[in-house]
Amino acid sequence: AQTVTQSQPEMSVQEAETVTLSCTYDTSESDYYLFWYKQPPSRQMILVIRQEAYKQQNATENRFSVNFQKAAKSFSLKISDSQLGDAAMYFCALSGGYQKVTFGIGTKLQVIP
Amino acid sequence: EAGVTQSPTHLIKTRGQQATLRCSPISGHTSVYWYQQALGLGLQFLLWYDEGEERNRGNFPPRFSGRQFPNYSSELNVNALELEDSALYLCASSWGTSGTTDTQYFGPGTRLTVL
Repeated sequence: AQTVTQSQPEMSVQEAETVTLSCTYDTSESDYYLFWYKQPPSRQMILVIRQEAYKQQNATENRFSVNFQKAAKSFSLKISDSQLGDAAMYFCALSGGYQKVTFGIGTKLQVIP
Repeated sequence: EAGVTQSPTHLIKTRGQQATLRCSPISGHTSVYWYQQALGLGLQFLLWYDEGEERNRGNFPPRFSGRQFPNYSSELNVNALELEDSALYLCASSWGTSGTTDTQYFGPGTRLTVL
């Protein structure tokens, strides 16, 4: 069984500041992928960033980067220079064994002007 | 390029009825996934179809079923509706080349309300 835990139901950040969203996971698979998805208030979920477990280098996408700690089974998302458009629900997800994707319960991010 | 589309946007049913939800994937995508998003529970994996076959299903009772058509569109059926089935149902599609490790592209969802 695979599990994903997001322990921060809500977070807030000042515009232009940096915020880190936490995610821990568990899986028995040796080969797996981790994702962060964003769901703005309009509901359409979009991919923010993706990390392959066999890659040691942390993935980055513009202002978004991850801190992937494989031994600790931790996969946090850092958002730099936060913008109002970053306000959304953020879901951490895990796909292992090529059979199933497990999502966390989400973290609601508020960006304060 | 058109994204994933879902219909209807909203659906209101009463207990015991059947609901049918539809999803059209991005052109070229062969995999379709269904998720239930109930308040406070995140996304719960329901079903995965690829190339017309059911590849995997989540921990949901058999009254949740579906199918994938030759054009890769998909339908989710929920029989004998219960109040707790009220949720947002999300469909996602992917290229299907690497199983569930592919990036998934989500539709806007269908809001099902069971009265």
